[in-house]
Amino acid sequence: GAGVSQSPSNKVTEKGKDVELRCDPISGHTALYWYRQSLGQGLEFLIYFQGNSAPDKSGLPSDRFSAERTGGSVSTLTIQRTQQEDSAVYLCASSLVWGSNQPQHFGDGTRLSIL
Amino acid sequence: GDSVTQMEGPVTLSEEAFLTINCTYTATGYPSLFWYVQYPGEGLQLLLKATKADDKGSNKGFEATYRKETTSFHLEKGSVQVSDSAVYFCARGGTGFQKLVFGTGTRLLVSP
Repeated sequence: GAGVSQSPSNKVTEKGKDVELRCDPISGHTALYWYRQSLGQGLEFLIYFQGNSAPDKSGLPSDRFSAERTGGSVSTLTIQRTQQEDSAVYLCASSLVWGSNQPQHFGDGTRLSIL
Repeated sequence: GDSVTQMEGPVTLSEEAFLTINCTYTATGYPSLFWYVQYPGEGLQLLLKATKADDKGSNKGFEATYRKETTSFHLEKGSVQVSDSAVYFCARGGTGFQKLVFGTGTRLLVSP
């Protein structure tokens, strides 16, 4: 597609349930990133992928969070046993190549609400 | 540690007013600097960037100059429009791998 696509755009679920968020990067982009944006706060880096590997998982808030990327394309962020503090907008971004001068292209995000 | 500090909002202006949103950063080395804009209900969009000292990024009438001596990257626009109302994020590139560090965002509200 033309841009980064995220699904679902909105997700409401009960506390304790597992959720899976999907990100489809721009075709050909090798690097993919996940961020969390909580109400009234800035962006919190969660994890990035170079190809299918994730060299740095230190941003994941807890072991309930995991992410994978297959085929160098689609990525899924999974949150197990969701808690109310997980409510936020989850943003995905991609860039053509890995490198500090590369701008990142963002999707519109998934708004996650935990009841 | 490395960080980005930007002015708190909201910044409220009348149409055609001059805009400045301050941004300073700390970092080792010489990272790339970015301004992103987030319109309501949307993800972030790259507004402009600068990759080295004294570079000026510009787009849609917005400008920002990479000032190494003051470690700043202030965003300016000479005449804002209602359609510029959004949240603006300053960010700096990482060293080693591409981990963008964002400021907390500044909300701009422009009234007719």
